[in-house]
Amino acid sequence: GNSVTQMEGPVTLSEEAFLTINCTYTATGYPSLFWYVQYPGEGLQLLLKATKADDKGSNKGFEATYRKETTSFHLEKGSVQVSDSAVYFCALSDRAAGNKLTFGGGTRVLVKP
Amino acid sequence: DADVTQTPRNRITKTGKRIMLECSQTKGHDRMYWYRQDPGLGLRLIYYSFDVKDINKGEISDGYSVSRQAQAKFSLSLESAIPNQTALYFCATSDLRDNTGELFFGEGSRLTVL
Repeated sequence: GNSVTQMEGPVTLSEEAFLTINCTYTATGYPSLFWYVQYPGEGLQLLLKATKADDKGSNKGFEATYRKETTSFHLEKGSVQVSDSAVYFCALSDRAAGNKLTFGGGTRVLVKP
Repeated sequence: DADVTQTPRNRITKTGKRIMLECSQTKGHDRMYWYRQDPGLGLRLIYYSFDVKDINKGEISDGYSVSRQAQAKFSLSLESAIPNQTALYFCATSDLRDNTGELFFGEGSRLTVL
């Protein structure tokens, strides 16, 4: 079956530090890949996505590249802000199963001033 | 107003009680989902529906039931709540025409079963 593995948190950083959150996946086909973000007290919202190998998704200074050879979709941001404190979820969609999403366990990120 | 609205946002109940969580959406999407979030486990799919006459079990459907009353409404029921159903529940929608599977989430319903 499909699965998503992401690094456990919490990740604690200082403002302006570089952030990387690792995500690897297992899938039978060619999934689309997503990063969702959950700010405190809110629902999940899409941060970025990539639909095929070598695609790069980007938004709000975050980037992730779909690497089929390493089955990875690592999230990066060059200079984090306090407002980036949130829980980040990596996910994949399986077209063969009606595009249902499979989520990783989430990584909590805390950015300190 | 939110495109995907969940009620109630918070609920505390006792073991054995019947609970219903409701979800309504104004996005016009055909597909609706119920997920459960537990710390460290991410989101797990409970039930999903691709149209009004379609209901499917997800990976953790035991102890839950759903009803798709209309295209815009999808409710989740716990017939007899138990403490390990304490969690944050999310409703989500997706567009049939979007082949990537992107989901749009409500703000969540926090359920505590004592």
